[in-house]
Amino acid sequence: RKEVEQDPGPFNVPEGATVAFNCTYSNSASQSFFWYRQDCRKEPKLLMSVYSSGNEDGRFTAQLNRASQYISLLIRDSKLSDSATYLCVVNSGFGNEKLTFGTGTRLTIIP
Amino acid sequence: DAGITQSPRHKVTETGTPVTLRCHQTENHRYMYWYRQDPGHGLRLIHYSYGVKDTDKGEVSDGYSVSRSKTEDFLLTLESATSSQTSVYFCATQGNTGELFFGEGSRLTVL
Repeated sequence: RKEVEQDPGPFNVPEGATVAFNCTYSNSASQSFFWYRQDCRKEPKLLMSVYSSGNEDGRFTAQLNRASQYISLLIRDSKLSDSATYLCVVNSGFGNEKLTFGTGTRLTIIP
Repeated sequence: DAGITQSPRHKVTETGTPVTLRCHQTENHRYMYWYRQDPGHGLRLIHYSYGVKDTDKGEVSDGYSVSRSKTEDFLLTLESATSSQTSVYFCATQGNTGELFFGEGSRLTVL
């Protein structure tokens, strides 16, 4: 089993819709969790950290479910500019050398 | 955005030749990382550095070496390139809040 697993998609979603995707992780000792966004042929950029209590940033909501070992990302009122690949990142230790990246979920917003 | 530049951005080389990729940062971040990104795989850590002359291996370090003689520069060397090292290479630094900042990537093709 991979340490971090994501549905690769693609998710093709009409503009204005709500879309959600999950990421599962295998190491129950994982300490911190992140969502990064990567545009085609560009570098990844941090979208948001995922806190135990869940967190929201505008149209984006991230949640952590430790019991079932997954994190989720919800995008409301999706925009064309949300089209990208979303990378789930899990830190199983206390340093960034323990970061494990998922392969990403590709999202395309359709006009 | 963090000031991270990678060079060269694109390189085509032949099997058996040495290749050096350079990462330069202007943020004075202590931690620097080299990742490779391949289809079907998440970003995988090659080597990282936690200070000048302090480096350590990551998940996929075979065939790669690194050096960090100054805070701002982190070099990745392929002593004898192989076709399996064809990839996109990303350098990253760690910000004060733990966020990773990535360079724009170096696309390497080994023929």
